[in-house]
Amino acid sequence: QLQLQESGPGLVKPSETLSLTCTVSGGSISSSSYYWGWIRQPPGKGLEWIGSIYYSGSTSYNPSLKSRVTISVDTSKNQFSLNLSSVTAADTAVYYCARGFNCGGDCYPDNWGQGTLVTVSS
Amino acid sequence: QLVLTQSPSASASLGASVKLTCTLSSGHSRHAIAWHQQQPEKGPRYLMKLNSDGSHSKGDGIPDRFSGSSSGAERYLTISSLQSEDEADYYCQTWGSGIRVFGGGTKLTVL
Repeated sequence: QLQLQESGPGLVKPSETLSLTCTVSGGSISSSSYYWGWIRQPPGKGLEWIGSIYYSGSTSYNPSLKSRVTISVDTSKNQFSLNLSSVTAADTAVYYCARGFNCGGDCYPDNWGQGTLVTVSS
Repeated sequence: QLVLTQSPSASASLGASVKLTCTLSSGHSRHAIAWHQQQPEKGPRYLMKLNSDGSHSKGDGIPDRFSGSSSGAERYLTISSLQSEDEADYYCQTWGSGIRVFGGGTKLTVL
């Protein structure tokens, strides 16, 4: 059974870089059938797609966050990671990692992690 | 611009049926979507992929009570025989041109 687990600091200072890792178990991150992505949810609000990566390293990002986001993959560890730079309080959210079904691109998440709350505060 | 519109809230009685709506923006009426459920204090769960012709494929373990249908630019999620655990937020989501888009979500209350 596929499991995704987010890890990383729960508190980040303004202007610093938020870094999270998602560890995938029960399946290979190198599968050609899937993408791997990050989605966030500010407290009390809806879902926002951040970006996705294919095992080859090909990425796509939300245009509104593109200048601050980097997603990378480590196939040897079956992990992928998120870096979000120059954070502000508006980046406070629960961050989810997810597996995305490949239908000629990253189409929809079909397996979600449990999420991790990241608070931006000094 | 690819946008999904959902009503903020819906309600229905225990044991009844409810039909939630997700509307695609103009020019995108042939897009497939996915439905996701988020129960209180939990992470989202994938329910199904729904095509423009109404065909759909559900995620593992999703009960038969959940079904999808389509009409023009509208995509529907129908939940029958409502149970208390169906009280949740429901999000539609689509994709195109290298991006993913979520609707604003519908909060379903089971009375």
